[in-house]
Amino acid sequence: DIQLTQSPSSLSASVGDRVTITCRASQTISTYLHWYQQKPGKAPKLLIYGGSNLQSGVPSRFSGSGSGTEFTLTISTLQPEDFATYYCQQNYRIPPFTFGPGTKVDIK
Amino acid sequence: QVQLQESGPGLVKPSETLSLTCTVSGGSVNNYYWSWVRQPPGKGLEWIAYIYSSGSNNYNPSLRSRVTISVDTSKNQVFLKLSSVTTADTAVYYCARTVLYHYYMDVWGEGATVTVS
Repeated sequence: DIQLTQSPSSLSASVGDRVTITCRASQTISTYLHWYQQKPGKAPKLLIYGGSNLQSGVPSRFSGSGSGTEFTLTISTLQPEDFATYYCQQNYRIPPFTFGPGTKVDIK
Repeated sequence: QVQLQESGPGLVKPSETLSLTCTVSGGSVNNYYWSWVRQPPGKGLEWIAYIYSSGSNNYNPSLRSRVTISVDTSKNQVFLKLSSVTTADTAVYYCARTVLYHYYMDVWGEGATVTVS
């Protein structure tokens, strides 16, 4: 299975900060990498697909980049509603789809 | 706007079979994959299986021996069965629409909490 790691596992940030989360794959996965946001008690929400494509309706402060084994999710200006846990997911070699362990973003 | 709703028993006894239904409204099950994903309390996400409207499917190897996924296109429903459950299967179970070829999950249900006890 392709393993995904995320760094950091958690971070504290303030409203207005620029936040970057990294997802690394155990082998190359091209751009078959997607990002989700999950708030407590809620289902995950798709933010970015194919490494860098913004899902319809997602604010433009979210962006994704990377290919191969290293990917980043960037929130350009953190808003109060962005405090959540973020997961990456790969589908390069399936089964199985695999998710990263998550990065929790909380208020500083 | 497509909506997904998971339903099923919230409590299952050890060694029994967990059965869940995902009802799709506002759209059709055709031309998409449909995945089940679970999340144990306080933990991350685990993909269980997906199925296409034709019935072709794929399973997580770690659960394959215990999982059955099926679809009823006439009822716009997707089903999950997980046999021989243990307390480790306690989780929130999500149904998610999975985009063809790209395999990202763009619409999710609110989740069904299942406790094995």
